[in-house]
Amino acid sequence: QQPVQSPQAVILREGEDAVINCSSSKALYSVHWYRQKHGEAPVFLMILLKGGEQKGHDKISASFNEKKQQSSLYLTASQLSYSGTYFCGTEVRGSNYKLTFGKGTLLTVNP
Amino acid sequence: NAGVTQTPKFRILKIGQSMTLQCAQDMNHNYMYWYRQDPGMGLKLIYYSVGAGITDKGEVPNGYNVSRSTTEDFPLRLELAAPSQTSVYFCASTDPGTGGMDEQFFGPGTRLTVL
Repeated sequence: QQPVQSPQAVILREGEDAVINCSSSKALYSVHWYRQKHGEAPVFLMILLKGGEQKGHDKISASFNEKKQQSSLYLTASQLSYSGTYFCGTEVRGSNYKLTFGKGTLLTVNP
Repeated sequence: NAGVTQTPKFRILKIGQSMTLQCAQDMNHNYMYWYRQDPGMGLKLIYYSVGAGITDKGEVPNGYNVSRSTTEDFPLRLELAAPSQTSVYFCASTDPGTGGMDEQFFGPGTRLTVL
């Protein structure tokens, strides 16, 4: 089942902060975050594993609430380059290394 | 390293035609995936492979076939193209990291239109 992302879209001015949420109805093993710019392929940002381990981008932070099966991506002091669509992908135990992606959150950062 | 490569970048098909989308990776990854992306819908898994000779269906496999004869290549076959297969197709690869699934590397995509 597809995870639910919120908000669907957000518009910021450069320097403002944003939080993007990802919620699943299934017990998650890990949550993955990707960013996609228009006309390009998704690019890896971060993995959050059950148990607290994180791997990924130095300048982006995220959290994973294992009890609520929710993850949040925190974008602080946004830059123009942060614009794009953000996707979360969720992995459940036993899925044999498959991700189910949300519909995405469109982030627009204006000068 | 070229990473994940896909050909062609663009293609227009007529209804009922067939074609093969090519995907190759040079990172010696065992796991490879095919996704389709429709506007506003995220990425949907079509087929995946855990190694040469082993493939399995994803969420939306109908109308597609795959094969994996080598570690490097993972072609996606469309038989009898339909307008509903108009989409952007991405191939990706990865290998398990310590503690679970690792970063997926995506190819640049193939934009397919069926008329």
